Amino acid sequence: QKEVEQDPGPLSVPEGAIVSLNCTYSNSAFQYFMWYRQYSRKGPELLMYTYSSGNKEDGRFTAQVDKSSKYISLFIRDSQPSDSATYLCAMSVEGAQKLVFGQGTRLTINP
Amino acid sequence: KAGVTQTPRYLIKTRGQQVTLSCSPISGHRSVSWYQQTPGQGLQFLFEYFSETQRNKGNFPGRFSGRQFSNSRSEMNVSTLELGDSALYLCASSLDRVGGYTFGSGTRLTVV
Repeated sequence: QKEVEQDPGPLSVPEGAIVSLNCTYSNSAFQYFMWYRQYSRKGPELLMYTYSSGNKEDGRFTAQVDKSSKYISLFIRDSQPSDSATYLCAMSVEGAQKLVFGQGTRLTINP
Repeated sequence: KAGVTQTPRYLIKTRGQQVTLSCSPISGHRSVSWYQQTPGQGLQFLFEYFSETQRNKGNFPGRFSGRQFSNSRSEMNVSTLELGDSALYLCASSLDRVGGYTFGSGTRLTVV
């Protein structure tokens, strides 16, 4: 079993829809939770960064962490075609510099 | 502000050869990490350097090695290339804050 599980999709939604992306994990020592966006032929770009549990909002993006359920989510409101990309969740334990990534979810927003 | 620069962008090598990839971090960033990305395994951590010292290493064979120079630039080397080493190799840099990693665009290595 992988430490971080993420549904690879693909996920296709119409423009303007609310998108929900999720990851589950097994290592209860994870304290740092991130979401990256990766466009084709590019490196991952950090979208959201959360320490421990709770919610964080940044524009159209909201990240949620539920450590009791070992479950994290990323919500995208008013989705745009430019949001079409692969979204990767990543996690790390306290004091470590190693990120553990999910497989990535391929998202397409249709105009 | 310049981002993380990786060279070369594309590389084709023959099985058995060795290869060196280069990474220039964002100015002022002292932590540099390397990841391998493949369709089957996703993004996997190779190693991390800080102030020329390797602080953390992933689960890869000894054929994979790296180093960091005094200006924080980093190189990774893969010796005795295998077909399975074909992947996108990504470098990321940070001021030394977990999560605050900025990735480069990667080097696409193809082993034939």
